[in-house]
Amino acid sequence: GQNIDQPTEMTATEGAIVQINCTYQTSGFNGLFWYQQHAGEAPTFLSYNVLDGLEEKGRFSSFLSRSKGYSYLLLKELQMKDSASYLCAVCMEYGNKLVFGAGTILRVKS
Amino acid sequence: DSGVTQTPKHLITATGQRVTLRCSPRSGDLSVYWYQQSLDQGLQFLIQYYNGEERAKGNILERFSAQQFPDLHSELNLSSLELGDSALYFCASSVGELNTEAFFGQGTRLTVV
Repeated sequence: GQNIDQPTEMTATEGAIVQINCTYQTSGFNGLFWYQQHAGEAPTFLSYNVLDGLEEKGRFSSFLSRSKGYSYLLLKELQMKDSASYLCAVCMEYGNKLVFGAGTILRVKS
Repeated sequence: DSGVTQTPKHLITATGQRVTLRCSPRSGDLSVYWYQQSLDQGLQFLIQYYNGEERAKGNILERFSAQQFPDLHSELNLSSLELGDSALYFCASSVGELNTEAFFGQGTRLTVV
């Protein structure tokens, strides 16, 4: 079966750094995505990793280790607007079927 | 604004009924994806179309069907509706066949009463 695990909730302080972890066990792998979703809104694409290593994009970075079935999303210089749900999703090997984790609700406090 | 347009934004209907959700992808995007998001199931991939043809299938019920038309807009048809079908339905689009970066529409909130 497919299993994607992320923490349910996290709280961090404005200006700080937070790391959101994602572990996965899937029958295939063709890349890992991170999406941000504010309550009641559409998911917004943040990053896509298909090879091991760190991808940096402004304040956000994403890391992937395929051998460990592990990824993390790193958010730096946290802002209040970063309060949202962060979804980890794995693209299955055949086709474009995305399997999503339940999401991590991040609360940024001042 | 992602450039993906979904209509209607809200829909309330009774059990047993049939509804059609519509999606217009971003200009130039050939792939359309449909997702269902409910409180208990999270975000679930339903189906993908690329340039008019079905490309990938997820957890889509037999009561649900979709198609992509020559102008690349897509429709998701939900029939014999049940209370449990109440959810947010998102459409997303991407340029190519592979889902490397997809842009989501604002969703259609379906309430079945």
